[in-house]
Amino acid sequence: DAGVTQSPTHLIKTRGQQVTLRCSPISGHKSVSWYQQVLGQGPQFIFQYYEKEERGRGNFPDRFSARQFPNYSSELNVNALLLGDSALYLCASSLANGVGYTFGSGTRLTVV
Amino acid sequence: RKEVEQDPGPFNVPEGATVAFNCTYSNSASQSFFWYRQDCRKEPKLLMSVYSSGNEDGRFTAQLNRASQYISLLIRDSKLSDSATYLCVVNDDRAGGNQFYFGTGTSLTVIP
Repeated sequence: DAGVTQSPTHLIKTRGQQVTLRCSPISGHKSVSWYQQVLGQGPQFIFQYYEKEERGRGNFPDRFSARQFPNYSSELNVNALLLGDSALYLCASSLANGVGYTFGSGTRLTVV
Repeated sequence: RKEVEQDPGPFNVPEGATVAFNCTYSNSASQSFFWYRQDCRKEPKLLMSVYSSGNEDGRFTAQLNRASQYISLLIRDSKLSDSATYLCVVNDDRAGGNQFYFGTGTSLTVIP
């Protein structure tokens, strides 16, 4: 059974550009969350979606947006990229709210 | 004050040693607690959940003290393969929904 899959694995963008990251949860998982991990820090919560509705939003600017599709896959969009957006972006899925998450291997974004 | 605080280490211990990691959290209403393990440039993986009664999984023992808002992880008979970063994770719904708050992680290196 496939785990959480994310694409692309690596990405290089220039400042001001926009990026879309994709995530497919484990089959049957309806909750998807996005996290940003900067080098040397723990992951920081960005968004959570459950049953295609946004259920939580972390302390990130409006340049960050996300959505969840009917098949429970999800996209994270970041507009007007800044150098500080360079990080590992992790997607995690869980069966339901309040249950432990399984993480994908992440998308490593570099903004130059 | 950070939601979750951990000693970043690094901890360098010989094989066979016992090592303990500690973590404190700020929100007394937090509901669930976990330890995740993260290898270099990989995604976090669930090591174990943490329960008030304490729980053990082989060489690993986790404890939760709700009154002191304190979580611990004990690793006995350390193996080379235990070398990783250990992330303390607290789950609550402060930002709505269900999200994890991560500590910065504690780095462990087990030396032959």
